[in-house]
Amino acid sequence: EAGVAQSPRYKIIEKRQSVAFWCNPISGHATLYWYQQILGQGPKLLIQFQNNGVVDDSQLPKDRFSAERLKGVDSTLKIQPAKLEDSAVYLCASSFQGVPADTQYFGPGTRLTVL
Amino acid sequence: AQSVTQLDSHVSVSEGTPVLLRCNYSSSYSPSLFWYVQHPNKGLQLLLKYTSAATLVKGINGFEAEFKKSETSFHLTKPSAHMSDAAEYFCVVSDPLSGGYNKLIFGAGTRLAVHP
Repeated sequence: EAGVAQSPRYKIIEKRQSVAFWCNPISGHATLYWYQQILGQGPKLLIQFQNNGVVDDSQLPKDRFSAERLKGVDSTLKIQPAKLEDSAVYLCASSFQGVPADTQYFGPGTRLTVL
Repeated sequence: AQSVTQLDSHVSVSEGTPVLLRCNYSSSYSPSLFWYVQHPNKGLQLLLKYTSAATLVKGINGFEAEFKKSETSFHLTKPSAHMSDAAEYFCVVSDPLSGGYNKLIFGAGTRLAVHP
């Protein structure tokens, strides 16, 4: 079974530029998550989709971050414009149903450096 | 609000000796608890999870954790460390009343070093 795929693996941009990350979840998984992991910290949930609807985006900085999940499969996370403090690893995860205790499977992440 | 505290940011052990990574949680409801491991440049991998069944949970690679409600703890243990266990370990809580169907709250992580 293929795992969660993410691209690119690494990205370096200047502040105020825009950037987009892509995620392909495990086939058949209804729930998709985007996390931000700043160096030295645990991952923090940015947004959660159930199929193509948003369940939780309470910690997404909506003035600069946006995400979509078209057709309930792939997802993209965009930052526009980027700030220095956005430097982090962006992790995508998916789970079968999204109910409590459902196992989340993580992709390898995209490491973003903002200069 | 739910939260997780990992009591040690770094733990260093010798190969073949026991491992103990400590975790305390705070939750307003009966939580689900997880331990994830993150090897350098790799994704997070689930080690084990507790979901209100047996309080002693066995996971992969010889790890286990015990849920102690009275102490609000979920410590991770392994009888004998291996060099390949060196990684970052995260204690995680999922609170069904937190909003969102399966919102995970991660601890800050414990970096485990294993010496020959």
